[in-house]
Amino acid sequence: EAGVAQSPRYKIIEKRQSVAFWCNPISGHATLYWYQQILGQGPKLLIQFQNNGVVDDSQLPKDRFSAERLKGVDSTLKIQPAKLEDSAVYLCASSQGLAGVYEQYFGPGTRLTVT
Amino acid sequence: DQQVKQNSPSLSVQEGRISILNCDYTNSMFDYFLWYKKYPAEGPTFLISISSIKDKNEDGRFTVFLNKSAKHLSLHIVPSQPGDSAVYFCAASEEGAQKLVFGQGTRLTINP
Repeated sequence: EAGVAQSPRYKIIEKRQSVAFWCNPISGHATLYWYQQILGQGPKLLIQFQNNGVVDDSQLPKDRFSAERLKGVDSTLKIQPAKLEDSAVYLCASSQGLAGVYEQYFGPGTRLTVT
Repeated sequence: DQQVKQNSPSLSVQEGRISILNCDYTNSMFDYFLWYKKYPAEGPTFLISISSIKDKNEDGRFTVFLNKSAKHLSLHIVPSQPGDSAVYFCAASEEGAQKLVFGQGTRLTINP
């Protein structure tokens, strides 16, 4: 079974530029998550999709971050314009979305450096 | 507001001995707890979990203990092996939420 795929793996941009990340979840997983992991901290949930609908985006900085999940499968996360404090690893995860099943499966992440 | 806390940023253990990683939580609505392991340049991988109806769950060398009254859980690794060197994250979820809240992580180093 293929795991969660993410691209690119690394990205360096200047502040005020825009950037986009892509995620392909495990086949059949209904729920998709985007996390931000700042160095020395645990992953922080940015947005959660159930199929192609948003379940929770309470911690997404909506003035600069946006995300969509196309046809309930792939997802993109965009930052526009980027700030220095956006430097972090962006992790995508997916889960079956079944009641009582909590395990999430993570991709390798995209390391973003904003200069 | 840090709802899940791992107060030890790092832990060093001799190979073959027991590693004990600790996690505390504040939200009494959490009813499912998970441990993830993370190697450099990789995403976290699921290790073991425990439901609030249990106080212990075991999987091979890994055992998780839950003390609900103290809002504390711990992960025991026996015996510790060099491949166990990684960052370990504790995570928690409310019933039906399908959302995880993570601790800050503990870097475990197993010395030969």
